[in-house]
Parts: sequence; structure tokens; C-alpha cells
Amino acid sequence: DADVTQTPRNRITKTGKRIMLECSQTKGHDRMYWYRQDPGLGLRLIYYSFDVKDINKGEISDGYSVSRQAQAKFSLSLESAIPNQTALYFCATSQGFGSNQPQHFGDGTRLSIL
Amino acid sequence: RKEVEQDPGPFNVPEGATVAFNCTYSNSASQSFFWYRQDCRKEPKLLMSVYSSGNEDGRFTAQLNRASQYISLLIRDSKLSDSATYLCAIRGLGNEKLTFGTGTRLTIIP
Repeated sequence: DADVTQTPRNRITKTGKRIMLECSQTKGHDRMYWYRQDPGLGLRLIYYSFDVKDINKGEISDGYSVSRQAQAKFSLSLESAIPNQTALYFCATSQGFGSNQPQHFGDGTRLSIL
Repeated sequence: RKEVEQDPGPFNVPEGATVAFNCTYSNSASQSFFWYRQDCRKEPKLLMSVYSSGNEDGRFTAQLNRASQYISLLIRDSKLSDSATYLCAIRGLGNEKLTFGTGTRLTIIP
């Protein structure tokens, strides 16, 4: 089983709909992140969390919200989806100590907003 | 200037050849450096961390040049399976976030 699991893997929906992407991890990491990836723009950080009560905005948080319900779970919501939120979304985790800790990614969610 | 920059490529390299590419960064206080590999429509996977003295993992060698502010990845005896996009990721001093480059696309040709 994957250490970082994202659901759904693919989603097509209409403009204006509310969408939630889920991420769960079995790595025991404190830190969790949500990124989106667009062609030519690379990975851009949306939100990140260092523990259950900690939420931090990334570089492109507008139009998104997150919830850290437990150490192992971090969900991303699009309150009212718009077409330019069509992208590949990744959740990532990392250990909470040491500056040289890499991030580990989930399989991704391909989201299309029509 | 972007925080992290990579030549997007594509690099088309014959099988068995050696290929190298760089990743430049703008923050001189950057502290942690990584190379990731990403296959088409898949998640980035950690290839290797980059240490100050340089490090090697099989056919892959990573180096850090602090004076010129870049890291490099060298692949020897390239295999068809090395075809992928290679992303660099860099963390600044006191900054918990990784900043990713947009990636260099590598295709190994039979």
C-alpha cells in the first residue's frame, strides 16, 4: 500500500461546485503539504500544516481551504471551483525535525473543472 | 529572477551516454537541496539529497556549488528507464518550505 494516499485519483466537475480532495499517510510524518502542478509552472504550494492545529498559506492559497483533522489526514477544499483550478494536485509529507528532510508525495489527483 | 531555475530541455541523449544538468538558485542562504524524478503524469519521487561535499548513488552523482549557487545532477551510462523529468528542490535557511524548479525533461534514445 502507498504511504501517502490521495482520493479521488481523478475528478471531473462543473464550475461552482464544492470539491474536497483527501490525503492520508501512514508514514507518521508531522508535516503535510498540498501542491498543484501546471504545465510550465511546476509545483506550487497551496497550503501546509506542521501539526493538527497548524495551518499555513502557501503561495497560491486563494480559492482553497484545508483541514488537518488528524496527524495522518490533510484535506483540501475548493469552495466554488473555477476552470483555472484545473490541474494535477499532490499531497506531500515530511518529517518534522531536521532541515534536510525531503518531502514524499502521494499519487496525485487529476482535477478538471468544466 | 526566479528562486529556482532549470533548463526545461528537452535533453535527448543516446543510451549509454553521460548527461548532466544544473539547477540554479537565488537565495544564498539555501540550506537543503534535493533531486526528484517525475515520470509523465505521476508523482515526483525523491532521487537523492545533495550534500555539500557531493554524493553519488550508483550511476547518479549530485554536486553543490555554493559559490555559483547551483546544484547539478550527472547520470552516467544512461538507460532508457532514465527518461523522465528531473526536478530540483531547495529549502532556504529557516524556511520550512521546499521550492521546486519547473523540471528538466530527459529522453534517452535507443
